[in-house]
Amino acid sequence: QLQLQESGPGLVKPSETLSLTCTVSGGSISTTNYYWAWIRQPPGKGLEWIGSIYYSGTTYYKSSLTSRVTIYLDASKNQFSLKLSSVTAADTAVYYCVRHKSSASGPFYKRAPYSWFDPWGQGTLVSVSS
Amino acid sequence: SYEVTQPPSVSVSPGQTASITCSGDKLGDKFASWYQQKPGQSPVLVIYQDTKRPSGIPERFSGSNSGNTATLTIRGTQAMDEADYYCQARDSNIGGVFGGGTKLTVL
Repeated sequence: QLQLQESGPGLVKPSETLSLTCTVSGGSISTTNYYWAWIRQPPGKGLEWIGSIYYSGTTYYKSSLTSRVTIYLDASKNQFSLKLSSVTAADTAVYYCVRHKSSASGPFYKRAPYSWFDPWGQGTLVSVSS
Repeated sequence: SYEVTQPPSVSVSPGQTASITCSGDKLGDKFASWYQQKPGQSPVLVIYQDTKRPSGIPERFSGSNSGNTATLTIRGTQAMDEADYYCQARDSNIGGVFGGGTKLTVL
């Protein structure tokens, strides 16, 4: 059974860089079938996709975060990581790492792009405060 | 950018049918997914590609998507189904967008 586990500091100072790592067990991140994603959830609020990475290293980021986000992977450790620079209090959130299924074209009955996230890590709260 | 909208809350009596909607421009032309999140827990995928259930998700959960609205339907709602539910649709970004979430209360 695939499991994902986030790790990293729970407190980051404003203007500094948030760094998190996701360790994947029960499966390889070097699969062609999935992407690997980071999603966050501010306290009491909804979900926000941050970005995804493919086994090849190709990355996709939410447009509003592109200038501050880097996602990379280490296949030898079966891990992928998130860096978010110049953080502010607005970046305080629970950060989830997730396996991501996406394609530009769906099945024969509906040729539309699709995307879903499953399973999710347990999440880690990162607070931005001095 | 594309947006999807959910009602903040829905209430249902035990054993009845709950319907949670997700609205967006021509959403029926896209694929929708649904996630259940109980307090203090990570989200769980309950519906993907509009109508499909992952293994382990009870048959009482079903989905539909047409026109501008995707709907998550829970038949025979149980107390354990009380949770926040989020819809998600892919737009020009591979990660897509999430709705703001709907709190389902089983009264």
